[in-house]
Parts: sequence; structure tokens; C-alpha cells
Amino acid sequence: GENVEQHPSTLSVQEGDSAVIKCTYSDSASNYFPWYKQELGKGPQLIIDIRSNVGEKKDQRIAVTLNKTAKHFSLHITETQPEDSAVYFCAASLAQDDKIIFGKGTRLHILP
Amino acid sequence: NAGVTQTPKFRILKIGQSMTLQCTQDMNHNYMYWYRQDPGMGLKLIYYSVGAGITDKGEVPNGYNVSRSTTEDFPLRLELAAPSQTSVYFCASSYPEQPQHFGDGTRLSIL
Repeated sequence: GENVEQHPSTLSVQEGDSAVIKCTYSDSASNYFPWYKQELGKGPQLIIDIRSNVGEKKDQRIAVTLNKTAKHFSLHITETQPEDSAVYFCAASLAQDDKIIFGKGTRLHILP
Repeated sequence: NAGVTQTPKFRILKIGQSMTLQCTQDMNHNYMYWYRQDPGMGLKLIYYSVGAGITDKGEVPNGYNVSRSTTEDFPLRLELAAPSQTSVYFCASSYPEQPQHFGDGTRLSIL
């Protein structure tokens, strides 16, 4: 089955700097890669997703890149702000409505 | 439009007790899911359903049961609570080919 590895487990960056979170997956048939943000006491919220026919996708300060050959994908947050502090999860799936396999999460701290 | 609603938010059970975690969604989504989240372990799929009357096992189904009698509701039942089932449980729903929407979770402790 699919296995998703996520690094780092904890990341601290100065406010205004960029943050990068990296994930790898094992099943080459996976074709949908969502990223979720989880704030304390809340459920995960989708922040961006990418399909395997696209190499990069941007939404304001957030971007995701996908390298299908290497089976890895990354989340980039630019100009970080205090409200970006949260736990971020990458995931992989055969389709948006199929079983999603999550990484173990990255706790992002934005330092003042 | 409330989205995905989970009840209760918190619960403490004794070993061997049973309970049902409720999940309801008002978005008319066909697909519904139950996950558990353990510290530092991400989310693991327990059961999922692609429509009323249809359920299937996920990664970690042992010790749990589900039913889907309506589109809106997808309750998760623990028949004999065990300490290993202490976790935060999340319900999610989606349309086909659309991202999943999550509830805010039920924090369950079994002592």
C-alpha cells in the first residue's frame, strides 16, 4: 500500500521568511496530493492540492511542487505570518475521493 | 450551512464500555470517512462509505463498526472500549472528485 513520509517533524522560521515542507510517497499510481493545515482543537483544513498532471500550483503565498519521477512533493510558504503557525499534513491518494494516506505532520512555528 | 458536525467533543470511557461517535453533514456529500489521529502519527483511516448502505474498511478498522443508513449520518461505534482506542477521531465527507471536508473531532479517553 501507499506510504507517505514527511519532513521535518518540526520547523521554526522567522516571520517573513519562507518555510518548506517535503514529502515522499511510495505508490507510483497515486495521482492526487492534498495539503492540510490543522490548528489547535480543529480538524484539518485543505489549503492546496495538486494532481499528477501538474508540476506546480500556486495560491497567493502558498505553492506546491510535484516531481512524479522522484515521487516527492513539497509545500512552500513565502512571507510567513504568525497565523501560519499550525500543523501541516501532506497526503497522497489515487483520487480525491479515494482513501487518503497522510504523512505524520510538520509543526510549523513562526517566530516573531 | 454547518458542514461536518461531530458529537460529542470530549468523552471519557471505562475499559469495556461501548459508545457511538456521531457524525452528520449537511452538504449532501456521497462519501464519508472516519479517521483517528494519534500524537505524532498523522491520520489513519478507520472506515469509509461511498453512499447510503455501503461501507468499507480502511487501514485500522479493528475494534470499530460503522453504518450508513442515510446520506447525512455516519456513526462510528466502539463495542468494547480498550486503552489503545484513546485518540482523537475525525469524520470527513466529500463529493466524488472533490476534496474532503473535516469536522472538528471527538477527543476520546479510555481509562
